Amino acid sequence: QKEVEQNSGPLSVPEGAIASLNCTYSDRGSQSFFWYRQYSGKSPELIMSIYSNGDKEDGRFTAQLNKASQYVSLLIRDSQPSDSATYLCAATFSGGYNKLIFGAGTRLAVHP
Amino acid sequence: DTAVSQTPKYLVTQMGNDKSIKCEQNLGHDTMYWYKQDSKKFLKIMFSYNNKELIINETVPNRFSPKSPDKAHLNLHINSLELGDSAVYFCASSPGTEAFFGQGTRLTVV
Repeated sequence: QKEVEQNSGPLSVPEGAIASLNCTYSDRGSQSFFWYRQYSGKSPELIMSIYSNGDKEDGRFTAQLNKASQYVSLLIRDSQPSDSATYLCAATFSGGYNKLIFGAGTRLAVHP
Repeated sequence: DTAVSQTPKYLVTQMGNDKSIKCEQNLGHDTMYWYKQDSKKFLKIMFSYNNKELIINETVPNRFSPKSPDKAHLNLHINSLELGDSAVYFCASSPGTEAFFGQGTRLTVV
């Protein structure tokens, strides 16, 4: 039973474009949501966290959360080839202790 | 350096052997995790400890036994290794919600 879902991609965008990555989650009680970036052969790296409905911006990254639709997204503006990586969506699930569950990841390829 | 560090980085072993992976964090976090990332890159939670106490134990074969001697360390011992255990194992620590990962241990069972 999948609890955090993402399209596996690859999502291919040209350099300078906006990349849009999407994620849905199954637990209405989830309170915390995260985006991680993972380069090939490396460990996941936290890039964004979001806890309340709406948008949160950090540099070229914007995370969007809609709890009613159980939907989280990540926008990357002015995409660069160095943004090419797998992006993992994660959510904490309720039930006593925070349980951080990951989606399968979306592979992003930014081509020059 | 403040970090989550795990050893070894690579581990190649034969089927049936027993092996351990060690993890240490100096971030002062109370919660530590073990995750398994398979060949399809899916990152699956295995165990979580909070201040040395096991709080999450997913449906993992009992050949896998975590141990936390103190809240800065979380080790993973695997008995009778099988081919299907080949994966990258990540240790992570958390101050409460988000997790910070070690560099991973690539385990190959031959």
